[in-house]
Amino acid sequence: GAGVSQSPSNKVTEKGKDVELRCDPISGHTALYWYRQSLGQGLEFLIYFQGNSAPDKSGLPSDRFSAERTGGSVSTLTIQRTQQEDSAVYLCASSLEREARTQYFGPGTRLLVL
Amino acid sequence: EDQVTQSPEALRLQEGESSSLNCSYTVSGLRGLFWYRQDPGKGPEFLFTLYSAGEEKEKERLKATLTKKESFLHITAPKPEDSATYLCALRPSGTYKYIFGTGTRLKVLA
Repeated sequence: GAGVSQSPSNKVTEKGKDVELRCDPISGHTALYWYRQSLGQGLEFLIYFQGNSAPDKSGLPSDRFSAERTGGSVSTLTIQRTQQEDSAVYLCASSLEREARTQYFGPGTRLLVL
Repeated sequence: EDQVTQSPEALRLQEGESSSLNCSYTVSGLRGLFWYRQDPGKGPEFLFTLYSAGEEKEKERLKATLTKKESFLHITAPKPEDSATYLCALRPSGTYKYIFGTGTRLKVLA
């Protein structure tokens, strides 16, 4: 079946502009994660959604970052007033449930802030 | 503090030269340890999940093992197509957050 998809695959923006990144999880997966991967760094947890529960936003680096998940499926990560340090690969992953299940990752969105 | 350390950072092997990648961890309670492969420009691809010490999983030329302090990813007779970054992650008990290591960049030369 279809895997996790993300769009756009690449995004170049100017400092100060807002960007929206989209994630379509695997159908039926109730858990959805956003991560940030900077060059040479490990994956940094940003936010977690599980079903209809309140999301865990504890990994969001600043209030310029926000995310929502509509209808328990598609998720959008929004970065307002982008800064050069926001340049990274943003990865989305989904899994079956809250428990220790395998995460399946999308291909990522490569964000470059000029 | 829960943490994951992978070594070496980079590894170059000749085709057919077997080796092991290490993932050392400290965690208060382990719900699962995961291995992923990541090719350049792509998202991580799931390889294995290990849940308890002594457990082993195999897939083609790869074998993952787990002790109470570390996990190894053994690569037997690697081929150039095994070249990638290999990521280790763990899921501590009582949380749904995953902690990732920084990975081992493997290059297999023909």
